[in-house]
Amino acid sequence: DARVTQTPRHKVTEMGQEVTMRCQPILGHNTVFWYRQTMMQGLELLAYFRNRAPLDDSGMPKDRFSAEMPDATLATLKIQPSEPRDSAVYFCASGLGGTGQETQYFGPGTRLLVL
Amino acid sequence: KNQVEQSPQSLIILEGKNCTLQCNYTVSPFSNLRWYKQDTGRGPVSLTIMTFSENTKSNGRYTATLDADTKQSSLHITASQLSDSASYICVVSHFNAGNNRKLIWGLGTSLGVNP
Repeated sequence: DARVTQTPRHKVTEMGQEVTMRCQPILGHNTVFWYRQTMMQGLELLAYFRNRAPLDDSGMPKDRFSAEMPDATLATLKIQPSEPRDSAVYFCASGLGGTGQETQYFGPGTRLLVL
Repeated sequence: KNQVEQSPQSLIILEGKNCTLQCNYTVSPFSNLRWYKQDTGRGPVSLTIMTFSENTKSNGRYTATLDADTKQSSLHITASQLSDSASYICVVSHFNAGNNRKLIWGLGTSLGVNP
C-alpha cells in the first residue's frame, strides 16, 4: 500500500530555531506539493514541484522558507528562523501527471509548534 | 477574486441520517472541482472529481453534484456512519494567467456523526 511519508510527525521548537521537514513521495509520482494548514486559513499551497523542478513557490514566505527536492525520493521544507506564527500542520502530497487534474495523495502531516 | 465558500461550517447528525454539504465558488475560468475527506489528524483523501460537463458523480455513499451555471456543488452523504465524522473540503481548479492550473481550497465543513 503506497503512501506518502513525512517526518517528523510532531515538532516543538523555540522561536529562532531552524526546522526541517521531510517528505518521501509515492514511488513513481512526479509531482510534489507542500501545504500549510491552520484553522483560520485552511490549506495553503506553499510550493509545487514537477519532476523535481520547482514550478510554483509563490505561496511561500521567501525570507525564511525554502523547499527543495534533492532527489526523486525526498522533498524538504525548511524554516529558518522559525517564528510562532509558523505553528501549523504542514502536509506533503504527491501525484502523477502535473496537469493539475491528477489526484494528490497526502501524507500524515508534520505538526509544528513554535514557542 | 477566486474564492470557495463552504456551508455549513459544522454539522452534527445522528448515525443513519443523510446530510448535504454545500460549496459555492467564484473561480473562473473553471477547470474541475474535487471533494476531499480529512479525518482528524490525517491528510485529506480525494472523494470525487468533476469537470465542467459532469453534473453528478458517486463514490459509494457519497454523491457530489455540480451546477456550473450557478457555480455550486453539493456533497450528499447517505445513511451516515460514525466513520463519516471528518472535515469535508471543496477544492476548485482554475487556469491562471499563465494557463497553469491552480487550486482554490475551501475551509471545509466539519461533520460529526453521533450514535
